[in-house]
Amino acid sequence: QVQLVQSGTEMKKPGASVKVSCKASGYDFTVYHMHWVRQAPGQGLEWMGRINPNSDDTNYAQTFQGRVTMTRDTSINTVYMELSRLRSDDTAVYYCAKGGPIRFLEWLSPFDYWGQGTLVTVSS
Amino acid sequence: QSVLTQPPSASGTPGQRVTISCSGSSSNIGIKTVNWYQHLPGTAPKVLIYGDNQRPSGVPDRFSGSKSGTSASLAISGLQSEDEADYYCATWDDSLNGWVFGGGTKLTVL
Repeated sequence: QVQLVQSGTEMKKPGASVKVSCKASGYDFTVYHMHWVRQAPGQGLEWMGRINPNSDDTNYAQTFQGRVTMTRDTSINTVYMELSRLRSDDTAVYYCAKGGPIRFLEWLSPFDYWGQGTLVTVSS
Repeated sequence: QSVLTQPPSASGTPGQRVTISCSGSSSNIGIKTVNWYQHLPGTAPKVLIYGDNQRPSGVPDRFSGSKSGTSASLAISGLQSEDEADYYCATWDDSLNGWVFGGGTKLTVL
């Protein structure tokens, strides 16, 4: 069965960087896009961007351009999301979510499996 | 301020039918399909509806989706206490070249 397992809780100081991992299993890792979505306390879901695990191609939300980097390691079926220059309003639960097949139009497929979420707290 | 507009809250009594709206524009809902997610506190979001009105296997037929023009709706019939959750619409936005979510609607079962 499909599983996405994320790394654990992080506590960071303003200005620092955080790197969250998401290990996939139960499907062909290089066939499907992987997305990152976050939810700040009391706020809604916010799409951060996605990576094509096959080509390493990325598409970042404009809000995060210049601060976010998504990478992958196909040898261990894991994607990473690194957010730099952290601010207090980056405090949130960060989710990875499996998207649709890479060969399909990107907008056709929902996020059908999600990781358990990783809490990142940014505080001095 | 979300690109997609949802009412912040909705409510109903057990057995009732409730609808949640999602308003967008010609660069998103008007030209792309809409997905709906259910999010229970402390859990990962779950897709309820995709492609405007398709239900993944395992989602009860009490949940249905529709779309007209630049707006979409999620309907829940036969409301149950376990339906109490946050609901989000989502779609692709051509102007932003990315996915956008609604602000979410908190459904309370009275």
